[in-house]
Amino acid sequence: NAGVTQTPKFQVLKTGQSMTLQCAQDMNHNSMYWYRQDPGMGLRLIYYSASEGTTDKGEVPNGYNVSRLNKREFSLRLESAAPSQTSVYFCASSKQGTGANVLTFGAGSRLTVL
Amino acid sequence: AQSVTQPDIHITVSEGASLELRCNYSYGATPYLFWYVQSPGQGLQLLLKYFSGDTLVQGIKGFEAEFKRSQSSFNLRKPSVHWSDAAEYFCAVGANDYKLSFGAGTTVTVRA
Repeated sequence: NAGVTQTPKFQVLKTGQSMTLQCAQDMNHNSMYWYRQDPGMGLRLIYYSASEGTTDKGEVPNGYNVSRLNKREFSLRLESAAPSQTSVYFCASSKQGTGANVLTFGAGSRLTVL
Repeated sequence: AQSVTQPDIHITVSEGASLELRCNYSYGATPYLFWYVQSPGQGLQLLLKYFSGDTLVQGIKGFEAEFKRSQSSFNLRKPSVHWSDAAEYFCAVGANDYKLSFGAGTTVTVRA
């Protein structure tokens, strides 16, 4: 099984450009998440989707939008990229959206905004 | 809201030596506790978790962690490190909702 697949792995944008990060999981998980990882700050939750058809804000949602396309896919969109959004983005999934569940992570997408 | 502190940003250890990574959490009830490992250029992989019961939990790759409620700690240990243990380690705490809060991470360097 592939687990959690993210695309693209690397992307360079100019300030003001838009882009979408794609994420798909093949584990029949209900919940999906987008995190960003910055040096010295660990992982911070951007948005999550507890189940198909629902999305909600996490810790750092400003400047991002998400779409839970179906049970498998959860995309993250930057409408107008800013240098502060330079980061490594991780998609994750879990069986259910509670703190007792184990997250399975994708390999990450490294985004640079110039 | 829960929070996690990993006091050590970087630890260097000799191959074959023991390793202990510290983790302190803040949460009003009994939390769900996790340790994840991230190898360079990779996503995070679960090492072990604590939900309830025995406070000493065993994980993969020879790691173990001990939950100490009185100290609000969940320290990770390994008796003898291998060069392949060089990675970044994250402690995380979960509550009865979707949110999993991560510490800032500890980078482990293993010297020959």
